[in-house]
Amino acid sequence: GAGVSQSPRYKVAKRGQDVALRCDPISGHVSLFWYQQALGQGPEFLTYFQNEAQLDKSGLPSDRFFAERPEGSVSTLKIQRTQQEDSAVYLCASSAPGSSYNSPLHFGNGTRLTVT
Amino acid sequence: AQSVSQHNHHVILSEAASLELGCNYSYGGTVNLFWYVQYPGQHLQLLLKYFSGDPLVKGIKGFEAEFIKSKFSFNLRKPSVQWSDTAEYFCAVVNTGTASKLTFGTGTRLQVTL
Repeated sequence: GAGVSQSPRYKVAKRGQDVALRCDPISGHVSLFWYQQALGQGPEFLTYFQNEAQLDKSGLPSDRFFAERPEGSVSTLKIQRTQQEDSAVYLCASSAPGSSYNSPLHFGNGTRLTVT
Repeated sequence: AQSVSQHNHHVILSEAASLELGCNYSYGGTVNLFWYVQYPGQHLQLLLKYFSGDPLVKGIKGFEAEFIKSKFSFNLRKPSVQWSDTAEYFCAVVNTGTASKLTFGTGTRLQVTL
């Protein structure tokens, strides 16, 4: 389909392991966002890319979290030395060219990360 | 920092009942407002949005929302709900000055019974 694709859908990691979550945005979408959604909460902003440039990473909770989008399309969110509090659904969203705040976000199905 | 409050966490309605879900935001500047919906097993999708102009906006599936600037509110309404409206509803706001951060409320789980 033409939607935002995220993989894997589910990931179980032992505490201390590193994980990498992938997002394939809609083709041609310039803006890409990562959100974290804890159980029973709304999505919380992590970081924002415009093409390959990471313009805002103020939502990343610690230096264990790292995101990249080297060629301006696919993005990877990496979490090092995972902790139990990292358990959440990680959502990726993209939006069409233009002002990011005027363009509605298209979300993927998310990756559910469980840290044991 | 901006924040969004959704006062109803879980709402149960019978089919054909009217719906109103509350949403209040904290930011006093110029904002764009959204309602997103997440049906069971599906991704978040846009229900409706307000940028400017007529404060009463209409979205998909018969939903509408009214922006009341003086009350910092953007409540979602539907005159007659259907079983298929069972979903989680999220209000979201973006400060037009930040150009990046969409801030979500905690969501309202709507359950429509037959």
